[in-house]
Amino acid sequence: DAGVIQSPRHEVTEMGQEVTLRCKPISGHDYLFWYRQTMMRGLELLIYFNNNVPIDDSGMPEDRFSAKMPNASFSTLKIQPSEPRDSAVYFCASSFKAGRGHTDTQYFGPGTRLTVL
Amino acid sequence: GQQVMQIPQYQHVQEGEDFTTYCNSSTTLSNIQWYKQRPGGHPVFLIQLVKSGEVKKQKRLTFQFGEAKKNSSLHITATQTTDVGTYFCAGVNQGAQKLVFGQGTRLTINP
Repeated sequence: DAGVIQSPRHEVTEMGQEVTLRCKPISGHDYLFWYRQTMMRGLELLIYFNNNVPIDDSGMPEDRFSAKMPNASFSTLKIQPSEPRDSAVYFCASSFKAGRGHTDTQYFGPGTRLTVL
Repeated sequence: GQQVMQIPQYQHVQEGEDFTTYCNSSTTLSNIQWYKQRPGGHPVFLIQLVKSGEVKKQKRLTFQFGEAKKNSSLHITATQTTDVGTYFCAGVNQGAQKLVFGQGTRLTINP
């Protein structure tokens, strides 16, 4: 299994530009999570999906951020317009619900390092 | 909302010394998970604790879950340079799939 795949691995863009981050979860996993990691704020959950449906987007910082999951094997996180404070590492993770009362482990992708100038 | 506090934020040790990181939740947890992130890498799952008072060992690593299911610890015996990285705890509420991560403890080791 290739694990969770994210692209691009690095993105440098200018303020005001649209940025699209992509994620392919592990096949068979029915949960997908988007996280943002910065030195100041640590690892923050932005949004997560179950069976392609957004369940909790309370961590999405503002309307400039949007996420979609059109099918079980693909998700995008879009920032429009981007701002310098959006600079961070963005991780995608996926998991399979182990069973009632249990929480399966989350498998993280390698991340996308975003720099907004 | 639920908060998970982790201390210390940083720890520097000599190789061979022990290391401990502590995690405290503002709410009672269903279970707790621990992850390790190497410098420049991504978080990797280490273990999950579910039962009150549970203790699990992985070689030199010992994980504990408190009796009240609100705190946890990770202890590494005789650290090695391969232990370098940031260790995160992540709390889970009953029936949830959402993890609430602590701030992490960054471990550096002097060989």
